[in-house]
Amino acid sequence: GAGVSQTPSNKVTEKGKYVELRCDPISGHTALYWYRQSLGQGPEFLIYFQGTGAADDSGLPNDRFFAVRPEGSVSTLKIQRTERGDSAVYLCASSFGGGLRDTQYFGPGTRLTVL
Amino acid sequence: AQSVTQPDIHITVSEGASLELRCNYSYGATPYLFWYVQSPGQGLQLLLKYFSGDTLVQGIKGFEAEFKRSQSSFNLRKPSVHWSDAAEYFCAVETGRDDKIIFGKGTRLHILP
Repeated sequence: GAGVSQTPSNKVTEKGKYVELRCDPISGHTALYWYRQSLGQGPEFLIYFQGTGAADDSGLPNDRFFAVRPEGSVSTLKIQRTERGDSAVYLCASSFGGGLRDTQYFGPGTRLTVL
Repeated sequence: AQSVTQPDIHITVSEGASLELRCNYSYGATPYLFWYVQSPGQGLQLLLKYFSGDTLVQGIKGFEAEFKRSQSSFNLRKPSVHWSDAAEYFCAVETGRDDKIIFGKGTRLHILP
């Protein structure tokens, strides 16, 4: 079956612009996670959705970052007024029910470059 | 706060040799522990996980890991590596109080033919 997909695979933007990154989770998975992976680092938690609601958004670095999941499936990570420090690979993962006993399946990521 | 340390940034081994990747965590109680692998152009894949019980955990692709409470370690091992094992490996921890996984900085594995 299809895994987690993310679009675009690469995004280059200019400082100050707005970007949207999309995640399509595995069908039937209620939990969805966003992570950010900077060069030479491990993934860093951003936000966790259970269904349509954000169960934990404590990892969002500031109010320029926002994520939605309006129908409990596809999620969009939105970044306003991008800064060069936002350059990273943004990873999405989904799991069947949430909770650490459910395996998180990761997408290939979106590489964001802010010039 | 909990943390994960992977002391080796790069490891190089010959094909067919044994492998051990080190991981140490910092947390007062027994955490949930994970090893993930990330190959170029592919997403993170879970190799194995430890929640409780038997401290030697078997995973996919011939990997295993051993939880040692006294050393706060969860080292990953494989008896004989293959060229396809070249990738970046991440150790991760979750304390059980929330659903956030904290990842180490990773160890990049290089395989010599």
